[in-house]
Amino acid sequence: EDKVVQSPLSLVVHEGDTVTLNCSYEVTNFRSLLWYKQEKKAPTFLFMLTSSGIEKKSGRLSSILDKKELFSILNITATQTGDSAVYLCAVSNTGNQFYFGTGTSLTVIP
Amino acid sequence: NAGVTQTPKFRILKIGQSMTLQCAQDMNHNYMYWYRQDPGMGLKLIYYSVGAGITDKGEVPNGYNVSRSTTEDFPLRLELAAPSQTSVYFCASRQGDRGYTFGSGTRLTVV
Repeated sequence: EDKVVQSPLSLVVHEGDTVTLNCSYEVTNFRSLLWYKQEKKAPTFLFMLTSSGIEKKSGRLSSILDKKELFSILNITATQTGDSAVYLCAVSNTGNQFYFGTGTSLTVIP
Repeated sequence: NAGVTQTPKFRILKIGQSMTLQCAQDMNHNYMYWYRQDPGMGLKLIYYSVGAGITDKGEVPNGYNVSRSTTEDFPLRLELAAPSQTSVYFCASRQGDRGYTFGSGTRLTVV
């Protein structure tokens, strides 16, 4: 059965901390892994990863994919209160089916 | 298995045709959502519902309608299909502060 598992389910940190969010998957015919940030209603796209070992970076956020071990991590350095959100991981296969994790809820307190 | 079921998985429509995308969840979740995802873009919210009998517009509701007569079902209707509605559609549900559960998507092409 294809599935995506995110951990931890929730996380509370102080401003300035660094956090690592995990996403592991078992999806046949993998095509890509996507990270989203959901603050209010609609998730916003962060990264799409297709190749192992190549880090994608955007400001304080970075992500990397390990296709051998079937996981990805999302790092956020120097966290700010505006980083508080649910972070979703999704994996697509070559048949254009998407499998979502249930998300990691991050709360950053001042 | 418990979860969100979307049907169909794929569909091709002609311009002006109508169709309904079905979404059902068996987890007794109150919140349900319809999103569309265009290539290279994030998910955009079309409509959402906080419970049976209650629906509200999201970011991109034009050209779509929804209903929520039961907790389990949240169908999305396209009345007059347009090429701009070519996209991948996701249904999702959520309960309180727990995580989202997404369906596997419906790929719609309007020609």
